[in-house]
Amino acid sequence: QKEVEQDPGPLSVPEGAIVSLNCTYSNSAFQYFMWYRQYSRKGPELLMYTYSSGNKEDGRFTAQVDKSSKYISLFIRDSQPSDSATYLCAMSFGRDGDSNYQLIWGAGTKLIIKP
Amino acid sequence: DTGVSQNPRHKITKRGQNVTFRCDPISEHNRLYWYRQTLGQGPEFLTYFQNEAQLEKSRLLSDRFSAERPKGSFSTLEIQRTEQGDSAMYLCASSLEGQENYEQYFGPGTRLTVT
Repeated sequence: QKEVEQDPGPLSVPEGAIVSLNCTYSNSAFQYFMWYRQYSRKGPELLMYTYSSGNKEDGRFTAQVDKSSKYISLFIRDSQPSDSATYLCAMSFGRDGDSNYQLIWGAGTKLIIKP
Repeated sequence: DTGVSQNPRHKITKRGQNVTFRCDPISEHNRLYWYRQTLGQGPEFLTYFQNEAQLEKSRLLSDRFSAERPKGSFSTLEIQRTEQGDSAMYLCASSLEGQENYEQYFGPGTRLTVT
């Protein structure tokens, strides 16, 4: 079993829909939770990060972390065709962790927003 | 452009040949990471530098792989005696000491194809 599980999709939704992307993980020691967006043939770019449990909102994006369920989500409101990309979750142990400079990644979910 | 740059962007080589990739991080960043990403997967950590010191190497990094960061600025990743299984996207990221490790900024990657 991988440490971080993410449905590869593709997930296809119409423009304007609310998108929900999710990851589950097995190691309860993870403290930092990140979402990256990766366009085809480009490097990942950081979208949002969350420390420990809770919600964080940035414009059309909301990140949620439920440590009790070992489950994280990224919501995209009013989705646009330009949001079409692969969304990767990543996690780390944080400063006090054993390997705190390593990010552990999900496989990524390919998202397609249809005009 | 003050982002992370990588060269070359694409490399096609024959099995058994040696290849070298270069990464130029964001100028004030003292941490530099190498990752490998295969199709449909998230990045896999390979190695990490803080300034010129290589502090961690993944078990994925066989003895055919070597990375350097001689003056704490740019870095090179060399693969000797390439194998078809080395075909992947090689990503470089950089960050600044003092920031949490989620703040890694990625370059566009070097896509390696071994024939």
